[in-house]
Amino acid sequence: NAGVTQTPKFRILKIGQSMTLQCTQDMNHNYMYWYRQDPGMGLKLIYYSVGAGITDKGEVPNGYNVSRSTTEDFPLRLELAAPSQTSVYFCASSYTDNEQFFGPGTRLTVL
Amino acid sequence: AQRVTQPEKLLSVFKGAPVELKCNYSYSGSPELFWYVQYSRQRLQLLLRHISRESIKGFTADLNKGETSFHLKKPFAQEEDSAMYYCALRDNTDKLIFGTGTRLQVFP
Repeated sequence: NAGVTQTPKFRILKIGQSMTLQCTQDMNHNYMYWYRQDPGMGLKLIYYSVGAGITDKGEVPNGYNVSRSTTEDFPLRLELAAPSQTSVYFCASSYTDNEQFFGPGTRLTVL
Repeated sequence: AQRVTQPEKLLSVFKGAPVELKCNYSYSGSPELFWYVQYSRQRLQLLLRHISRESIKGFTADLNKGETSFHLKKPFAQEEDSAMYYCALRDNTDKLIFGTGTRLQVFP
């Protein structure tokens, strides 16, 4: 199986544009997470989900939205991109609260 | 406040030298701690967790509640150990709090 997949790998956005970062997992994990990684700052949790239909805010949710209509997919939406959202975004999944499995990341630049 | 501190951004050693990557935490209660690793061009992945008390790739980490530390150690570093290492703490809502990471460079 592919594990956690993310698309796109790279994206450049203009200020005010919107986009959706896709995340899919094929391990039937109920927990899914979105993190952002800024240089020298570690990973910060944006949103997470403990199952289909359930989402919750993490540490840095402002400017983002998520949905979880299926177990497999957990898209992250940026409605009005800002330069402060330039970052590397990682999606992860886990079975309950066990080991988290990470995707390869999406590098987003907002100009 | 729940927090993970990795004081070193970069640690450089020669092959065969001992390695200690520092991690300190702040948590009231019984902590659950992890080390995650990201090798070049690979995904972030779990290296070890303290409850397993295991050695992975020669690395060990002991939880020291008195010093609130969970340092990662290896007696003899190898070039393939070069990577970014993150210490993480499971908080009281079952989410992970990550440290800022330490880049380990092992020179030949």
